[in-house]
Amino acid sequence: AQTVTQSQPEMSVQEAETVTLSCTYDTSENNYYLFWYKQPPSRQMILVIRQEAYKQQNATENRFSVNFQKAAKSFSLKISDSQLGDTAMYFCAFMKLPHSYNFNKFYFGSGTKLNVKP
Amino acid sequence: DAEITQSPRHKITETGRQVTLACHQTWNHNNMFWYRQDLGHGLRLIHYSYGVQDTNKGEVSDGYSVSRSNTEDLPLTLESAASSQTSVYFCASSEYPRTRVSYNEQFFGPGTRLTVL
Repeated sequence: AQTVTQSQPEMSVQEAETVTLSCTYDTSENNYYLFWYKQPPSRQMILVIRQEAYKQQNATENRFSVNFQKAAKSFSLKISDSQLGDTAMYFCAFMKLPHSYNFNKFYFGSGTKLNVKP
Repeated sequence: DAEITQSPRHKITETGRQVTLACHQTWNHNNMFWYRQDLGHGLRLIHYSYGVQDTNKGEVSDGYSVSRSNTEDLPLTLESAASSQTSVYFCASSEYPRTRVSYNEQFFGPGTRLTVL
């Protein structure tokens, strides 16, 4: 079974500073996807960034980047130039590739609550 | 614009009552999912469907059922609501992956907060 662990229940950062959220996972799969989702107070789940395990290059989306260490099964999210709108719950998620065509199943971590302070 | 909606957004019910949560998507996606979100657990999969007339159990399916009579809707039913089912429920949908190694994003609804007293 796949497990995803986020060991930081809550973190704080000052506006404009950089923060890193940690995520580790356990799997015997070789090919898979990893994700970070943002959930603001509105409860909407928003995809922040995605990483394919077969790609060595770390994914980047504007101020968001990841540090993917496949051997260590680590997938951290770095937020640069933090903004007040980044305040949210952040979920790390793992998706293994299906053996059939249809379905990519998600496994979510327990989340990290990020507070960006003015 | 295509979207995924859930209703009601908030629901309070009593133990033992049957409750149905609605999920409707206009993406024309084949895959639909129900998750529950609880503190300390993230999102956990309850049921999922690959298409019309197809349903499958997720990791926390006890006490829940779904049916898929059309592409757009996947209602979630709690047959006899229990206090342990107090949670926030999310519906999501996605298209079939184009290949065995590709990925299609899951789009999430706004969630339904259910309280069982």
